[in-house]
Amino acid sequence: EIVMTQSPATLSVSPGERATLSCRASQSVSANLAWYQQKPGQAPRLLMYGAASRATGVPDRFSGSGSGTQFTLTISSLQPEDSAVYFCQQYNDWPPLTFGGGTKVEIK
Amino acid sequence: EVQLLESGGGLVQPGGSLRLSCVASGFTFSTYAMSWVRQAPGRGPEWVSGISGNIVSTYYADSVKGRFTISRDNSKNTLYLQMNSLRADDTAVYYCAKPDWGYAFDMWGQGTMVTVSS
Repeated sequence: EIVMTQSPATLSVSPGERATLSCRASQSVSANLAWYQQKPGQAPRLLMYGAASRATGVPDRFSGSGSGTQFTLTISSLQPEDSAVYFCQQYNDWPPLTFGGGTKVEIK
Repeated sequence: EVQLLESGGGLVQPGGSLRLSCVASGFTFSTYAMSWVRQAPGRGPEWVSGISGNIVSTYYADSVKGRFTISRDNSKNTLYLQMNSLRADDTAVYYCAKPDWGYAFDMWGQGTMVTVSS
């Protein structure tokens, strides 16, 4: 099973500043990596797939990068509505599909 | 509008059973694989089970293998999860989810809560 590790657990960023979230895979997942945003009481929402492709309707302040075992989600200019928990998920080698433990982004 | 609507959750005693349903609309259900993903309070999502669009293939997480059964009825646009021998650590919100772009989940239901407790 591929283990996904996210860091930091919590990130506090001022509005307009850049937020950088990391996700590490225990073995290579190529670019088969997705990012999700989840707000309280809601289902996760797909942000990125293929490590760097934005899903439909996702603002271009969100960008993804990386391949192999190291991935980054960047929010270029944090907005108040970006306060949420962000998860990564690998779909390169499954079953099982595996998710990271999440990074909580707080607005400072 | 693409929509997934789960039902069937509730409170059940350890060792009990529940059957979850997920009705899909707004897309050609039979052409897509589908999955169940659960999320315990304060935890990250955990993939539980998946099924191919043509029902030929099913997949399970080790934690539920032998206890849960995934199925679908493409004539009713409905996905199911039969859960037997439930344990306290099965307590979670259960989502049905539609994968795309490989196996990234581009559509999720609103979730149904399953609580296993005596």
